[in-house]
Amino acid sequence: DIQMTQSPSSLSASVGDRITITCRASQSITGYVNWYQQKPGKAPKLLIYAASSLHTGVPSRFSGSGSETDFTLTISSLQPEDCATYYCQQSYSTLLTFGGGTKVEIK
Amino acid sequence: QTTLKESGPTLVKPTQTLTLTCTFSGLSLSTSGVVVGWIRQPPGRALEWLTLIYWDDEKHYTPSLKTRLSITRDTSKNQVVLTMTNVDPVDSGTYYCAHRANYDGSGIMFDLWGQGTLVTVSS
Repeated sequence: DIQMTQSPSSLSASVGDRITITCRASQSITGYVNWYQQKPGKAPKLLIYAASSLHTGVPSRFSGSGSETDFTLTISSLQPEDCATYYCQQSYSTLLTFGGGTKVEIK
Repeated sequence: QTTLKESGPTLVKPTQTLTLTCTFSGLSLSTSGVVVGWIRQPPGRALEWLTLIYWDDEKHYTPSLKTRLSITRDTSKNQVVLTMTNVDPVDSGTYYCAHRANYDGSGIMFDLWGQGTLVTVSS
């Protein structure tokens, strides 16, 4: 299996801050990483696919970057509605795996 | 508009077999390119991918649960069924079915999810 390791596991930031979440793959997955946002009691929502492509309808303050084993999700200006847990997922292999999640809170 | 909805028992006893159904509308599993998956989430924990089924009936399972899982489809009913044998309390959690986003060449990611169904395994 390809392991996906996210960091940090949680963070607290102020409205308007720029935040970055990191995901590291246990082997090269080229650009096959996707990012999801999940709010409590709700299903996850796709934010970013193929490392850096914005899914339809996702605000432009969300962006993704990276390749091979190291990937980042950035929120350029944190908004109150961005309070959620974020997950990366590799799609390099058909044996899919998710990261452990990063919980984002507002100070 | 494409929607997916999970259904099944909320409480299952240890060692029993769990059967969950994903009923969808607005898509057909006989259409080329369509893929549906199951993902679960124990309370307070991370997402875990379980299985995929493709339009051509190709199937994939997470290795750690491969011997206990089965996924089937009924194209006439627009349903996908997940079966998990010999359940244990650690199998408790929310089970989601999800549709693969149509981003060719980018692998499998999910753009549409059901609301999830909470399953508790307890005697």
